[in-house]
Amino acid sequence: GIQVEQSPPDLILQEGANSTLRCNFSDSVNNLQWFHQNPWGQLINLFYIPSGTKQNGRLSATTVATERYSLLYISSSQTTDSGVYFCAVVSGNQFYFGTGTSLTVIP
Amino acid sequence: DTGVSQDPRHKITKRGQNVTFRCDPISEHNRLYWYRQTLGQGPEFLTYFQNEAQLEKSRLLSDRFSAERPKGSFSTLEIQRTEQGDSAMYLCASSTNDSPQETQYFGPGTRLLVL
Repeated sequence: GIQVEQSPPDLILQEGANSTLRCNFSDSVNNLQWFHQNPWGQLINLFYIPSGTKQNGRLSATTVATERYSLLYISSSQTTDSGVYFCAVVSGNQFYFGTGTSLTVIP
Repeated sequence: DTGVSQDPRHKITKRGQNVTFRCDPISEHNRLYWYRQTLGQGPEFLTYFQNEAQLEKSRLLSDRFSAERPKGSFSTLEIQRTEQGDSAMYLCASSTNDSPQETQYFGPGTRLLVL
């Protein structure tokens, strides 16, 4: 199956700081999504972004499919941004999740 | 649209017992997925349904695991003869291929502890 690697594994930020999370994948994909898992375990879809750039409020994402990576930008971080961020890619009918980036935003 | 629901939210069982979990997808979502997540890891794909047809099964899904979606609506995941290694969060997600984005919507999960 496809290998999905995320970096950094852990990140601690002061409230108000910006950050960039990276997702590398080992093969061509036609579906890539970013998710946030809150401290209670609920997974929320943030972006569907197989290529190009999208923005939603303080979050934006860019995928360069030809170079097999995607970036998630978080600006002006808030304590509610804490949790684990996963990227997931699709091969066939299977979703492959990365190991995630655990983000802690401190006030 | 009430979102994806899962039942029960928590299950504690003894090794060797059978357990069954239920997932109710968002209404009219024709795709349904089951995942397993252990502590510190991302979700691992188990199986996928389009309507009532089970189209994909991971090699992770041993013969003790079986999933059904008999009428193309809710789905059940059964684990027979549970083992301690089955302890995990079991997640269900649904989507529709009517949307070009195929965004997956996840339920809250069922946390299983096998003693």
